[in-house]
Amino acid sequence: DIVMTQTPLSLSVTPGQPASISCKSSQSLLHSDGKTYLYWYLQKPGQPPQLLIYEVSNRFSGVPDRFSGSGSGTDFTLKISRVEAEDVGVYYCMQSIQLPPTFGGGTKVEIK
Amino acid sequence: QVQLVQSGAEVKKPGASVKVSCKASGYTFTSYDINWVRQATGQGLEWMGWMNPNSGNTGYAQKFQGRVTMTRNTSISTAYMELSSLRSEDTAVYYCARVKGRWFDPWGQGTLVTVSS
Repeated sequence: DIVMTQTPLSLSVTPGQPASISCKSSQSLLHSDGKTYLYWYLQKPGQPPQLLIYEVSNRFSGVPDRFSGSGSGTDFTLKISRVEAEDVGVYYCMQSIQLPPTFGGGTKVEIK
Repeated sequence: QVQLVQSGAEVKKPGASVKVSCKASGYTFTSYDINWVRQATGQGLEWMGWMNPNSGNTGYAQKFQGRVTMTRNTSISTAYMELSSLRSEDTAVYYCARVKGRWFDPWGQGTLVTVSS
């Protein structure tokens, strides 16, 4: 199985300040079809995960443009340009290049 | 809107089985795979398996092989996940999720399964 490693485990951010989360995979997520199957989810307290970013850098419908994803191969980053109170929760990266899909351990984002 | 609504919380004894349902609405149920993911309290996300609602084909994570069964009733657009031989470590919130492309969206609201004697 592909191991997804996220850092840091937690972040405490002042509103309006940026935040960055790293995700590293144990194998390349670049498929022969040219797509890279790396996703970012946010799980707000008491809710199921919701998709933020698909295929490394594409914002899902309705996701604010303060969220951005980047990276390639095995190294990926989620950035929040200006954190807002509604961004609190646990962020997960996920790969689906091969079964089983696997998730990072999560990064908890809190507001200072 | 596209929605997955799951059945309510369950309390089971060790060794018993649990069957969780996931009712789809707002889209053609047979057009997208349904996956199941679980989350123990305060823990991360663990993928359990997938089901194609059109064919009924399934694939399970090795960890759950022999204990999990995923089925569907297309007439009521509902997917089911049954887990048998429950143990305390199976206490978790169980989510269904539709697969589009290769991502999960939307997710059901989750079903808490508590295994306790």
